[in-house]
Amino acid sequence: EVQLLESGGALVQPGESLRLSCAASGFVFSNYAMSWVRQAPGKGLEWVSATSGSGGRTWYADSVKGRFTISRDNSRNTLYLQMNSLRVEDTAVYYCAKDLIPQITSWYGGVDYWGQGTLVTVSS
Amino acid sequence: DVVMTQTPLSLSVTPGQPASISCKSSQSLLHSDGKTYLFWYRQKPGQSPQLLIYEASNRFSGVPDRFGGSGSGTDFTLKISRVEAEDVGVYYCMQGINLLTFGGGTKVEIK
Repeated sequence: EVQLLESGGALVQPGESLRLSCAASGFVFSNYAMSWVRQAPGKGLEWVSATSGSGGRTWYADSVKGRFTISRDNSRNTLYLQMNSLRVEDTAVYYCAKDLIPQITSWYGGVDYWGQGTLVTVSS
Repeated sequence: DVVMTQTPLSLSVTPGQPASISCKSSQSLLHSDGKTYLFWYRQKPGQSPQLLIYEASNRFSGVPDRFGGSGSGTDFTLKISRVEAEDVGVYYCMQGINLLTFGGGTKVEIK
């Protein structure tokens, strides 16, 4: 059974940093690209970032480029999102999501399983 | 950027009746590899999104056959043949041909 468990969400002030983690199990983690998708309170879904199965390639939404860094540790089956220079508009539930099709060096572009999410609140 | 436009914003359906949601993309979602990168998700209240349909018309594992996806190019439709109470939630389309972008969502309620 695929399981994705996010952690690390917290209340922080604007300009501060935070690192989210996503622990994966139930599949061969290194074979799949992974994404972070966020959802502001009462709003729709916004893709944030993705990384290939190997971690060698990464992609970012313009809204977070230069501030957020996605990474993964395939030996620990864990995905990360380092968030710097946080803004009020980054407030959201952050979900990690697994790609549908195995892609070690690239990214399929569609996700199947999602974690339960972790809440990041940026407020002074 | 690929813009995804969903209609309607909300839908109130009598159990047993059909429902249909439209999704239009600002550019073709047909890739040179022959696949159409259009996906449908349902997010039940208080839960994470769940994949229903991938590549425009393929039902994901465990998804009931009352859910069907159709369309090509830039115009797509999700149809529920007979709505059940458990189908309440917000439905999103998503494109995966150029990064990922989601439609604004369609809230489905039961009458």
